[in-house]
Amino acid sequence: GAVVSQHPSWVICKSGTSVKIECRSLDFQATTMFWYRQFPKQSLMLMATSNEGSKATYEQGVEKDKFLINHASLTLSTLTVTSAHPEDSSFYICSADGQGGETQYFGPGTRLLVL
Amino acid sequence: GQQLNQSPQSMFIQEGEDVSMNCTSSSIFNTWLWYKQDPGEGPVLLIALYKAGELTSNGRLTAQFGITRKDSFLNISASIPSDVGIYFCAGRNNAGNMLTFGGGTRLMVKP
Repeated sequence: GAVVSQHPSWVICKSGTSVKIECRSLDFQATTMFWYRQFPKQSLMLMATSNEGSKATYEQGVEKDKFLINHASLTLSTLTVTSAHPEDSSFYICSADGQGGETQYFGPGTRLLVL
Repeated sequence: GQQLNQSPQSMFIQEGEDVSMNCTSSSIFNTWLWYKQDPGEGPVLLIALYKAGELTSNGRLTAQFGITRKDSFLNISASIPSDVGIYFCAGRNNAGNMLTFGGGTRLMVKP
C-alpha cells in the first residue's frame, strides 16, 4: 500500500517550453500532496504544498507563476514548469500524506533537463 | 526556519559493521521519519516515530525518538552492500503537515 507514482520519470526539453509532471497516489486518497526539488548531492527542498480543491501554498522564494500546481482530485496533483530555463533542471519529487497525515510517501521522482 | 542537523554527512564502512546516524534540532518535533534514497529514486520510508522516547525496529534498522523531542537516531546493524544510499531524517511539528529534512547521510559499504 501507499504507492505514489510520477510521470514522466525523466524529460528533456528546450528552453522556453513548459513541462507538466503528474503525481498520483495509486492506492490511497491524499488530501495533501507536496512538491520538492532536489539538486545533486543535496537534500530535498520543499517547493509547495498542494491541497485538493484549493490553491497551493508556495514556499518562500518559489515563483507561483513559474511553477503551476493543480490538485484537481484526491489522487492527482500536477506541477507545470512554465517557460523552463536551464537553471530549472533538477530532480522533482512529489509526496502524499498517508496514515492520517502522520507520514509522507514519496514518488520516484522526475528528472528534468532543460537545454 | 527550522533546521535539522544530520550527522555524519557520509560514512564508508566494511560490510558487517553497525552504523549509527543522528539528527538534532533546535525545535521540537512531534513526528520523526527516516527515509532512504537510492540514486535517481524518491525517498522510501524506513521508520516512523510518533512518541517521545519511542524505540522502533524494522529488520536490521532501529530508530528512536529522543525524549526531548529534538533529536532522533537511526542504527543499522550488520550492514550489507544493499544498504548503500543516502539516509534522510525528517521532522514534523504541529505547525502543519510539512516535513523538515536533514542534510542526509551518505552510506557506502565495502564488501
